[in-house]
Amino acid sequence: GENVEQHPSTLSVQEGDSAVIKCTYSDSASNYFPWYKQELGKRPQLIIDIRSNVGEKKDQRIAVTLNKTAKHFSLHITETQPEDSAVYFCAASSPYSSASKIIFGSGTRLSIRP
Amino acid sequence: KAGVTQTPRYLIKTRGQQVTLSCSPISGHRSVSWYQQTPGQGLQFLFEYFSETQRNKGNFPGRFSGRQFSNSRSEMNVSTLELGDSALYLCASSLAPEIKAFFGQGTRLTVV
Repeated sequence: GENVEQHPSTLSVQEGDSAVIKCTYSDSASNYFPWYKQELGKRPQLIIDIRSNVGEKKDQRIAVTLNKTAKHFSLHITETQPEDSAVYFCAASSPYSSASKIIFGSGTRLSIRP
Repeated sequence: KAGVTQTPRYLIKTRGQQVTLSCSPISGHRSVSWYQQTPGQGLQFLFEYFSETQRNKGNFPGRFSGRQFSNSRSEMNVSTLELGDSALYLCASSLAPEIKAFFGQGTRLTVV
């Protein structure tokens, strides 16, 4: 069935350094890839998303890249800050498809060291 | 604009009982999805409703069911509760199915 693998499961980076989280998906029909950030005790929040007709999207310190051929997509956070500490989830889906279901990765716990 | 509202926030039930959780989406959103979040299993898709129709269902037993009303509010029901059903249940709403979904605070269900 559909699957999204996310790596690493935990990541610790020095404040100011960059963090990269990688995901692979199995369903070639997937064409929408959102990323969510979940702080401790809070709801997941959408931080960026990308569609398959775009290879890269950037929003300030956050960027997402997509390689449809390899079925890989990645989240890049530059100049990390303490408030970036959270669990990050990637997801893949094919909206509007009657058989679609959004599949989440298992999450990456990102810690920013001061 | 009010966000996604889930009630109740916390619930304690006994094995064998049933429970109903409620989700009020953002005004104008017609798509509501439900997820189960546990420490070991991450976010697992339960089902999605769009305009009162269930579009898709995840790999959960038939004890898990849901529905959506004409005002887009959604409920999910779990019957014959098991200890393993203890989890945070999240709903998310969006204008179109799955696109830019916003999550509610969740209902934390504890089965004892």
